Amino acid sequence: DTGVSQNPRHKITKRGQNVTFRCDPISEHNRLYWYRQTLGQGPEFLTYFQNEAQLEKSRLLSDRFSAERPKGSFSTLEIQRTEQGDSAMYLCASSLPGQAPWRAFFGQGTRLTVV
Amino acid sequence: AQSVSQHNHHVILSEAASLELGCNYSYGGTVNLFWYVQYPGQHLQLLLKYFSGDPLVKGIKGFEAEFIKSKFSFNLRKPSVQWSDTAEYFCAVLNRDDKIIFGKGTRLHILP
Repeated sequence: DTGVSQNPRHKITKRGQNVTFRCDPISEHNRLYWYRQTLGQGPEFLTYFQNEAQLEKSRLLSDRFSAERPKGSFSTLEIQRTEQGDSAMYLCASSLPGQAPWRAFFGQGTRLTVV
Repeated sequence: AQSVSQHNHHVILSEAASLELGCNYSYGGTVNLFWYVQYPGQHLQLLLKYFSGDPLVKGIKGFEAEFIKSKFSFNLRKPSVQWSDTAEYFCAVLNRDDKIIFGKGTRLHILP
């Protein structure tokens, strides 16, 4: 499968615990996006990488959230001290250099449930 | 700020029925509009897009959408739906900061 891969697909965690998600973009895609989709809402932009540089962060990305893309390939999204409001689907998308965000390919997402 | 609103959160239709899903966008000058689809258990994918020119745009799988500037609308249509069209549909707009702003989505359920 050469699409965007996200792991795990599902994660259930207790409130207060830390969680980390991984996204593997399509090969040669240097742009990588993270979105969050809560119940009854469409995806909302969280952050954007070009290679290893994190170029933008949404105000939705609180201090408890951190995203990295250390070698410009896969990316991780960590949530510290999870809260019930963090329960959502976290989507990753990637695109080729210079491509607009609407051209990005999405992964299937990681569904987080905080209990 | 640019935004879109989708009228229906949940639509149920029988196979062969005609489909129209509503989407209205907020005024903001030049608009770039999209419809995305997410089939059960699959990734979000682009269905069609409008940037300029012919206001009737055709997408994959027999879908089309019409941009009506006077009504600030970009409704999605399909003349005859199939069971396989069961999915969630998102209208979206590209804002001035080059970010995709999604609507809340419409869950479409097709009865066989």
